[in-house]
Order: sequence, then structure tokens, then C-alpha cells
Amino acid sequence: DAKTTQPPSMDCAEGRAANLPCNHSTISGNEYVYWYRQIHSQGPQYIIHGLKNNETNEMASLIITEDRKSSTLILPHATLRDTAVYYCIVRPLSARQLTFGSGTQLTVLP
Amino acid sequence: SAVISQKPSRDICQRGTSLTIQCQVDSQVTMMFWYRQQPGQSLTLIATANQGSEATYESGFVIDKFPISRPNLTFSTLTVSNMSPEDSSIYLCSALYGSNEKLFFGSGTQLSVL
Repeated sequence: DAKTTQPPSMDCAEGRAANLPCNHSTISGNEYVYWYRQIHSQGPQYIIHGLKNNETNEMASLIITEDRKSSTLILPHATLRDTAVYYCIVRPLSARQLTFGSGTQLTVLP
Repeated sequence: SAVISQKPSRDICQRGTSLTIQCQVDSQVTMMFWYRQQPGQSLTLIATANQGSEATYESGFVIDKFPISRPNLTFSTLTVSNMSPEDSSIYLCSALYGSNEKLFFGSGTQLSVL
């Protein structure tokens, strides 16, 4: 499985966009990029996933670079409730489970 | 969004005892998994719960310590056997849904072993 690299922590002002980067330079053509978040002591929450095209849903946008070696999760208007650990995960089509890295602790500041 | 119910939500147990955690999902799913999250750490996959057959364990996890059942497509249990303080963790059930294969998680079981 391709490994991911994320900054250990980031801050964002409430109401501003939070841009969380992820590097996955060894990703292969059949591997999806998934984003999850975990609010303290709760189960991880699915946010979004994509293969090569940019994706958007009611929670966030996922921007994947053309070479697919990195991606950015965008929370357009961060709120205090978005404070969480955000995990970027690469999953091959053949695998069913997810392998979690250490993630990014996002703190939204008032 | 999927609904995955896990119970108990938390428990405090004595060393040497066992605890069984239940996981109920709201629809038939292809695959179910059990994860562990030790304090301050990320999630680690324990095993894949296979319906009608023995679970598939990851390296470092064995059936005698973490027996798993999956009697049907919507239910699974994980037992933490002969517990020690090192087993204090959050245990999470997850399920793979639908053709686009989103993995959803239960709210977790916070286990403390004294």
C-alpha cells in the first residue's frame, strides 16, 4: 500500500477555509485517496474519497494533483466542531480494509 | 450514512477477565472489521470478520486473545480475553458498504483494564 505523509498539526481560524495537505508520492493507478476524521474518542467519520478527479460533497472538497502524488482536503468554512484528527488514506482496489497513518490534528480557533 | 451500533460504549474490567463487544449494522454488508486504537495512537486493524468462517487476523493478533464471531451479515462480536492493562484501548467496529465501498465506523468501545 502507498504510504501517506501529513503534517502532524495545523491551526485554522473559524470561518476560514481549512486546507489539509497529504503527500502520497508512491500511489499507484488503482489506488483511491480517502479522507476520514476523528473527533476525540469517537469513531472515525468518512469525509470524501476520489481516484483522480476532484470531488466535492456537502462536507468538503478533495483536490488531487494531476500526477496524483498529492492531494488537499478543503473544508470551505471551518467551524469549532471541525476540530479533529484528519486522516488521509490510500487504498488499493484489491484491499477492503483501510490502513491509518498518524493524521493531522486540525484545531479551529475562535 | 450508515448506522453502526456498538456496545458497550465503555467498560472498566479486572485483569484476567474477558469482555465481549457487540457490533450491529443497519443493513447487510459485505465485510466487517475490528480495529484497536491505543491511547494517543492511530487505528490498527485487528482482523476481518468473515461471515460463516473464521476471522482473518493481522500480524500480531491471534484468535485465542481476540476471538471474533460473525453469525450473519449484520452482526459481529469481538472478545478481548484474559485482559491485562495493556489491553486498555478503544475498540472499533467498521463495515464496508455498497458498490462504492465506503467504510463506516461504530462509535467505539472505551475499555479500561485495572
